[in-house]
Amino acid sequence: GAGVSQSPRYKVAKRGQDVALRCDPISGHVSLFWYQQALGQGPEFLTYFQNEAQLDKSGLPSDRFFAERPEGSVSTLKIQRTQQEDSAVYLCASSLASAWGKETQYFGPGTRLLVL
Amino acid sequence: AQTVTQSQPEMSVQEAETVTLSCTYDTSESDYYLFWYKQPPSRQMILVIRQEAYKQQNATENRFSVNFQKAAKSFSLKISDSQLGDAAMYFCAYRTPNDYKLSFGAGTTVTVRA
Repeated sequence: GAGVSQSPRYKVAKRGQDVALRCDPISGHVSLFWYQQALGQGPEFLTYFQNEAQLDKSGLPSDRFFAERPEGSVSTLKIQRTQQEDSAVYLCASSLASAWGKETQYFGPGTRLLVL
Repeated sequence: AQTVTQSQPEMSVQEAETVTLSCTYDTSESDYYLFWYKQPPSRQMILVIRQEAYKQQNATENRFSVNFQKAAKSFSLKISDSQLGDAAMYFCAYRTPNDYKLSFGAGTTVTVRA
């Protein structure tokens, strides 16, 4: 079946612009994650949804970052008033049921954001 | 907080040879899960292998195997009979049974020489 998809794959934004990054998880997957991956680094957790409920947003770096998953499937990560330090790859991942323990997270290809 | 350390930024291996990637982690937990993920250039990250800390037997998936040393908090990945398609960035990751966040290391870039 189809994997996790993300769009756009690449986004160039001018500093101060708002951007919206989309994630389509695997159909039926309950849990959805957003991670931020800086150049040459490992992904870092941003936020976690279980169905439409955002259970953890502790990793969001500032109040300019906002994520939603209104119908429990597609999710959008929005960044307002982008700054150069927001430049990174944003990864979305989903898992079938609960996200605990050994449950596998399936990753999308990421959106590479460059803020000029 | 858990810390995952990958001390080798880059590794190079000749095709058909074996390469071992290092990973150490810091935790006070006794039960947890360890993962190796592969991220090819511009492609999505996929799970290579998973180890449960309560299992003494090292996990194996085809040409990929791990050496899990719980006391030393070490979790290395061995790639045998390396193939050109193995070229990628490899990430070690950690998670406890009661958590959903994966904690990743900084990654090791593997290049395979033909």
